[in-house]
Amino acid sequence: DGGITQSPKYLFRKEGQNVTLSCEQNLNHDAMYWYRQDPGQGLRLIYYSQIVNDFQKGDIAEGYSVSREKKESFPLTVTSAQKNPTAFYLCASSIGPPGTSGTDNEQFFGPGTRLTVL
Amino acid sequence: ELKVEQNPLFLSMQEGKNYTIYCNYSTTSDRLYWYRQDPGKSLESLFVLLSNGAVKQEGRLMASLDTKARLSTLHITAAVHDLSATYFCAVDIEIQGAQKLVFGQGTRLTINP
Repeated sequence: DGGITQSPKYLFRKEGQNVTLSCEQNLNHDAMYWYRQDPGQGLRLIYYSQIVNDFQKGDIAEGYSVSREKKESFPLTVTSAQKNPTAFYLCASSIGPPGTSGTDNEQFFGPGTRLTVL
Repeated sequence: ELKVEQNPLFLSMQEGKNYTIYCNYSTTSDRLYWYRQDPGKSLESLFVLLSNGAVKQEGRLMASLDTKARLSTLHITAAVHDLSATYFCAVDIEIQGAQKLVFGQGTRLTINP
């Protein structure tokens, strides 16, 4: 089955710790995204990558880092510099930017990781 | 700065009634997406609207896009309890050479028996 997986489903972090959230897709999508969702709020873009070995900051990148060494994988590290990391983290992917073989930018989401700071 | 505003943010309605959720956005775009989110879950794609005048329907939900008015609507017909969820619209825009989705705040819909 094609899809996007995220792990772990729940993650607890102590103060001062770095933690890494996994995101894998087998949809052969070029573009991948990380969003943060706070309770009762919409989604805010953290980082995105349109192609392997390249990524850009989104609207709230401070305290986060990413890598894109493989097309299938886009891990997110929440560093100790992120002062309020408790949130629901969603990974998404899309075929690629519009104009790529007539595609649109419909994004497909993984099941999410709920991060709590202890 | 692009703004995507949904109205209303909270909606409580009776089963069998009709209602419309509005999504207004502040910059030019001809691509808009609607998603559904159940409590504690991820986002599920509902509709992809790619041109002015686009209309899509699935069951009791119908979405439309007016790019000139910068407005999309999600219409619910004869609501049933299973449609209770939070609904998000997302506008596709180009910023600094990259395409991004900008999400509205979400509309929390509760349908009462």
